[in-house]
Amino acid sequence: QQQVKQSPQSLIVQKGGIPIINCAYENTAFDYFPWYQQFPGKGPALLIAIRPDVSEKKEGRFTISFNKSAKQFSLHIMDSQPGDSATYFCAASIFGSARQLTFGSGTQLTVLP
Amino acid sequence: SQTIHQWPATLVQPVGSPLSLECTVEGTSNPNLYWYRQAAGRGLQLLFYSVGIGQISSEVPQNLSASRPQDRQFILSSKKLLLSDSGFYLCAWSGGWAPDTQYFGPGTRLTVL
Repeated sequence: QQQVKQSPQSLIVQKGGIPIINCAYENTAFDYFPWYQQFPGKGPALLIAIRPDVSEKKEGRFTISFNKSAKQFSLHIMDSQPGDSATYFCAASIFGSARQLTFGSGTQLTVLP
Repeated sequence: SQTIHQWPATLVQPVGSPLSLECTVEGTSNPNLYWYRQAAGRGLQLLFYSVGIGQISSEVPQNLSASRPQDRQFILSSKKLLLSDSGFYLCAWSGGWAPDTQYFGPGTRLTVL
């Protein structure tokens, strides 16, 4: 019940395309859903985050869509660029001590020039 | 602004040798601190977290231990390394003005031979 399932495992798109990464969860106590971007050899960096009281959040070219009833959320990257090529992780946490994050398994995105 | 440091950046150790990885955070007080391990091409596995000095919670039984001797210092240790301890070790912190969000350090690449 603590798992966050992420798909696809890998994704290849052309420059300008709109890659979509999906995550699903079971635990309805989760109340914070961040996305992280990780480049090879670097630590993950927070990209964007959402709470279940909103259905969509945009920051620049990145958009999170959230479907509370389906217990799913997704990341969309508009006008993708080769520099967006990285591994993306979704995560979820519950309010409480230390706010431990449960991570998805990651999606390796490649944007072709 | 807050900064998180990890050292060393890379480490090659023989099986059976001890380990000490250090993480320090600047620019915040009383942070929550976390140690993660990431195997090659895999997701993030939470190893330990700490909500205060001397308070350590272990998520996965293993060959490793953690300590928090000072408010902004987090140490990952092992008495005898195993081959399976190889991986990318990441420290993260949360708290202050953004208690929900974890911010990751640059990581330590550990190879056990």
